[in-house]
Amino acid sequence: GQQVMQIPQYQHVQEGEDFTTYCNSSTTLSNIQWYKQRPGGHPVFLIQLVKSGEVKKQKRLTFQFGEAKKNSSLHITATQTTDVGTYFCAGFLNAGNNRKLIWGLGTSLAVNP
Amino acid sequence: DTEVTQTPKHLVMGMTNKKSLKCEQHMGHRAMYWYKQKAKKPPELMFVYSYEKLSINESVPSRFSPECPNSSLLNLHLHALQPEDSALYLCASSFTDRGGSSYNSPLHFGNGTRLTVT
Repeated sequence: GQQVMQIPQYQHVQEGEDFTTYCNSSTTLSNIQWYKQRPGGHPVFLIQLVKSGEVKKQKRLTFQFGEAKKNSSLHITATQTTDVGTYFCAGFLNAGNNRKLIWGLGTSLAVNP
Repeated sequence: DTEVTQTPKHLVMGMTNKKSLKCEQHMGHRAMYWYKQKAKKPPELMFVYSYEKLSINESVPSRFSPECPNSSLLNLHLHALQPEDSALYLCASSFTDRGGSSYNSPLHFGNGTRLTVT
């Protein structure tokens, strides 16, 4: 079945270091969404990428959608302790009657102060 | 702060109990969802309502029974659950149109109900 692979599963960084999580789909996606879930919290929508090759920035966060719309990345510059949490990508598959949001397994980020 | 409100925040129930989870949103969204999330896993879709009609049931066991009384409310009725049903249950909402093009709209999640089945 369709899958969205997300790596790494865990990442432990020192505050100030950069962080990147990657998602790869076996199928072309209509769009990809990114969510952040703090420990004990609920997923919070960060951004949606729709166009091939799209790049969007939110302060220290940079999101990319691949040219083939099969991969995406989230890069955090100079991590802070407030960045701690699990980052999920979720790709929307829209193929005929098959419309569904496919979630990656998430990358759990820990930041040492 | 979340604009999707879920109650209760925590629930402990026995396998013979009947309980209900409630969700409310006032963002004018006409698509509402129930997700189940186990620890260290992504949310897993259970049900989708579009314009108060059930549009997706992801082969969820009948011991989970959803209900959408109106465009702002979503309930999940629980009966005869198993310990493996213990999880975080998340309600979400999103924009949609009558054609059903909701599933690529960002999801707004509630805080969730943490359910423990004993």
